[in-house]
Amino acid sequence: KAGVTQTPRYLIKTRGQQVTLSCSPISGHRSVSWYQQTPGQGLQFLFEYFSETQRNKGNFPGRFSGRQFSNSRSEMNVSTLELGDSALYLCASSALTGDEQYFGPGTRLTVT
Amino acid sequence: DAKTTQPTSMDCAEGRAANLPCNHSTISGNEYVYWYRQIHSQGPQYIIHGLKNNETNEMASLIITEDRKSSTLILPHATLRDTAVYYCIVRVGWNQFYFGTGTSLTVIP
Repeated sequence: KAGVTQTPRYLIKTRGQQVTLSCSPISGHRSVSWYQQTPGQGLQFLFEYFSETQRNKGNFPGRFSGRQFSNSRSEMNVSTLELGDSALYLCASSALTGDEQYFGPGTRLTVT
Repeated sequence: DAKTTQPTSMDCAEGRAANLPCNHSTISGNEYVYWYRQIHSQGPQYIIHGLKNNETNEMASLIITEDRKSSTLILPHATLRDTAVYYCIVRVGWNQFYFGTGTSLTVIP
């Protein structure tokens, strides 16, 4: 079974721009979660989608948004990028609530 | 928002058992404890989880105290490939995981 895939793997953007990251979960998994990882703050939960509905949201500003499609693929969008948004963005999928989450390799975003 | 506290770092001799402690004194009765690890630059990897009974799988054992305020992850025979950051996590609500800062485990030859 293929693992969680994230595209692109690396991205460089300029402050003020917007960016869209993509995540394809493991086949059959309906839950997709997004995390931001930075050296200073560690791994922080962004939001979780299940069957196209956002069920949980972390403490991030409205510039961070996401969506999930009917095939469970998910996208995350960050608008008006700030230098502090530079981070590794991780996506994780699970089959059902409470199941272990399988993480993708992440997208490394650098904002200059 | 992390609901767990862990030591920042630990060392373990290769071949010995690695015992990683975690405090989760505010855990609620229906909240599970999960353990993940992250090897540098990779996505976190699931290890084990439990509610109140001790659990064991091919990777590790999880010992949860009777009052559920703390737990210990045991890697029975640590190898160099077990060097990683280990996260003790409480799952809140549907699928909301708070990772905290984790314990950096170094396995020494």
